[in-house]
Amino acid sequence: GAGVSQSPRYKVAKRGQDVALRCDPISGHVSLFWYQQALGQGPEFLTYFQNEAQLDKSGLPSDRFFAERPEGSVSTLKIQRTQQEDSAVYLCASSFLRGGLNTEAFFGQGTRLTVV
Amino acid sequence: DQQVKQNSPSLSVQEGRISILNCDYTNSMFDYFLWYKKYPAEGPTFLISISSIKDKNEDGRFTVFLNKSAKHLSLHIVPSQPGDSAVYFCAASTLSADKLIFGTGTRLQVFP
Repeated sequence: GAGVSQSPRYKVAKRGQDVALRCDPISGHVSLFWYQQALGQGPEFLTYFQNEAQLDKSGLPSDRFFAERPEGSVSTLKIQRTQQEDSAVYLCASSFLRGGLNTEAFFGQGTRLTVV
Repeated sequence: DQQVKQNSPSLSVQEGRISILNCDYTNSMFDYFLWYKKYPAEGPTFLISISSIKDKNEDGRFTVFLNKSAKHLSLHIVPSQPGDSAVYFCAASTLSADKLIFGTGTRLQVFP
């Protein structure tokens, strides 16, 4: 497809369960971002990849969160031992060049994670 | 510490009139600003951007104004249409950083 694709769209996890969220960026886009959006808030930065290199993971809230992009295209965000506070929409975005530098990032529809 | 602030959580405007959405920022290092529009159950969609070397950027019905001394930017939509009803996010970045810092959003409702 032409846009950023995320799967699943919705995920319900029991507290303590591990989850994996997938992002297919736009073909050829070098930069890939993960954001977390809590209810009523703006998206908050989690981590950034340039090709396969994870250049910034300063936004990951704990060591339970892990992201990878092994071949520089598809990315997976993994959350281990989910907690209720992890409930949010997880957004993936990609851009052709370095994010924010005179080029906008294109967002996927997001994965809504609910931890019960 | 909220570096990008949208102090109006909601705005209601009549169709055909001007919508003005405001955004304030605290980090003087920000040099690139963007507006995103978000419909329910969809991801944010890029709308318009402005570099800090400019004070105005126009694209059709949408104009963004930047006042660096006041650390303030605004999005003007003229004329407003019912399809403009959505949540609008202001975002900012610096040349040295790779991430966007978002505000909390303003919900715009355009009524007939």
